[in-house]
Amino acid sequence: GAVVSQHPSWVICKSGTSVKIECRSLDFQATTMFWYRQFPKQSLMLMATSNEGSKATYEQGVEKDKFLINHASLTLSTLTVTSAHPEDSSFYICSASHRVGYTFGSGTRLTVV
Amino acid sequence: GDSVTQMEGPVTLSEEAFLTINCTYTATGYPSLFWYVQYPGEGLQLLLKATKADDKGSNKGFEATYRKETTSFHLEKGSVQVSDSAVYFCALSTNNAGNMLTFGGGTRLMVKP
Repeated sequence: GAVVSQHPSWVICKSGTSVKIECRSLDFQATTMFWYRQFPKQSLMLMATSNEGSKATYEQGVEKDKFLINHASLTLSTLTVTSAHPEDSSFYICSASHRVGYTFGSGTRLTVV
Repeated sequence: GDSVTQMEGPVTLSEEAFLTINCTYTATGYPSLFWYVQYPGEGLQLLLKATKADDKGSNKGFEATYRKETTSFHLEKGSVQVSDSAVYFCALSTNNAGNMLTFGGGTRLMVKP
């Protein structure tokens, strides 16, 4: 149980375009989801916390207008990287909290060319 | 604020060697402690956890004991395999669910045949 599906697993996009990453909880309701970013050989950095039905809370230094987070239902949260640039290339991972802990998505590797 | 410190990598071992990855933490209250593993190209997976002092988490031959007196949660395995090569993250949460994780910087383990 407690499975989180993250899609896509990898994406290549052109500079200036937008990319949407989905994170779904398949067999539980996730009232809270977290979005992380991981640069090569570095640890995860929390970008934002999203709660179903309310605005996401962004960490300091994370541009909310660039990284749009929507958590419209108890099973789906999306992260949209708007007007992507090469420096946005990274590994993005979502995580959902549930009764007994956390479950992570499999991650999305974004490459902006 | 809460923080997690773990030994820097990479750690390079021969197959069947003993593994220790040190992790210490600072936190307000009584955190839950976790070890996550990230295999190449994949997202994080929970390896083991402990929720109170003196608890021992174990999984796949890995063990870690929650030591409140030394604020540590060192990861150990008696005999590593090549398939254990991955990045290991120590993390804490001040609640079992509904609160974010604070991660250490990650330790890359490389096991040679």
